[in-house]
Amino acid sequence: NAGVTQTPKFQVLKTGQSMTLQCAQDMNHNSMYWYRQDPGMGLRLIYYSASEGTTDKGEVPNGYNVSRLNKREFSLRLESAAPSQTSVYFCASSEALGVGNNEQFFGPGTRLTVL
Amino acid sequence: GQQLNQSPQSMFIQEGEDVSMNCTSSSIFNTWLWYKQEPGEGPVLLIALYKAGELTSNGRLTAQFGITRKDSFLNISASIPSDVGIYFCAGRTSGTYKYIFGTGTRLKVLA
Repeated sequence: NAGVTQTPKFQVLKTGQSMTLQCAQDMNHNSMYWYRQDPGMGLRLIYYSASEGTTDKGEVPNGYNVSRLNKREFSLRLESAAPSQTSVYFCASSEALGVGNNEQFFGPGTRLTVL
Repeated sequence: GQQLNQSPQSMFIQEGEDVSMNCTSSSIFNTWLWYKQEPGEGPVLLIALYKAGELTSNGRLTAQFGITRKDSFLNISASIPSDVGIYFCAGRTSGTYKYIFGTGTRLKVLA
C-alpha cells in the first residue's frame, strides 16, 4: 500500500497563475483533508471532506477550492495564486467519524512557491 | 485560529539522554495523536491516545493522555541520532473531524 500520495512534490507559480494539487489514498478511508504548514504555525486545516460527495471549510479556506473526485481522490485548487499561499501543503486521510479511531495519515507534501 | 501550546519549542540533547515534551489546551480532547516529521517529509503517526490517563508505548517512545483531558506528554528514552525531527501533538474533541495541531518541538541530538 502506498498510503497517501501527492503530486506534484514541488511547484513554482507566478502570482495570478492557477494550479491543482492532487491527492489520492489507497486505505479505503472515507475522510480526507488538506492542510498548509507554515513556519511557526503548525498545521492549519484548509478544507476537508467527511465522505465522498461532501466538502467543508476548515480554518483557512480563502483562496482555495476543493473537489472530492471519488472516494480515493481529493484535489485542492488555487484559482489565482498569491505570494501568501507559498507554503507546504499536506493531504491526509482517516476513517469516517465514528468508525475506528479517526487517526489521520499524511502524504509527503507539496512544496509551493508563489513569486 | 485555535492552536495547542506545545513545549519546548526546541531541544538540543546529547545522545543517550531522555527527552520530555508536552502539549496543553484550553479545550477538553477525547483523542490525542503524536507525530514525527523529518525534513522534506510528511508527519508520521507515532502514538494515538483515546482515554484519560492512558499510557501507551511505541519502542522507546511513551505518551500519556493527561487526566484533565487538556494535556498530553511524550517521552523518548535513550535518544539516538535518528530521533532528530519535529514532533507534533494533535488533539480532537468528541464529534468533530478536525484535529488541532501544536506548533511542534524541534529535537536535535548531538552524538
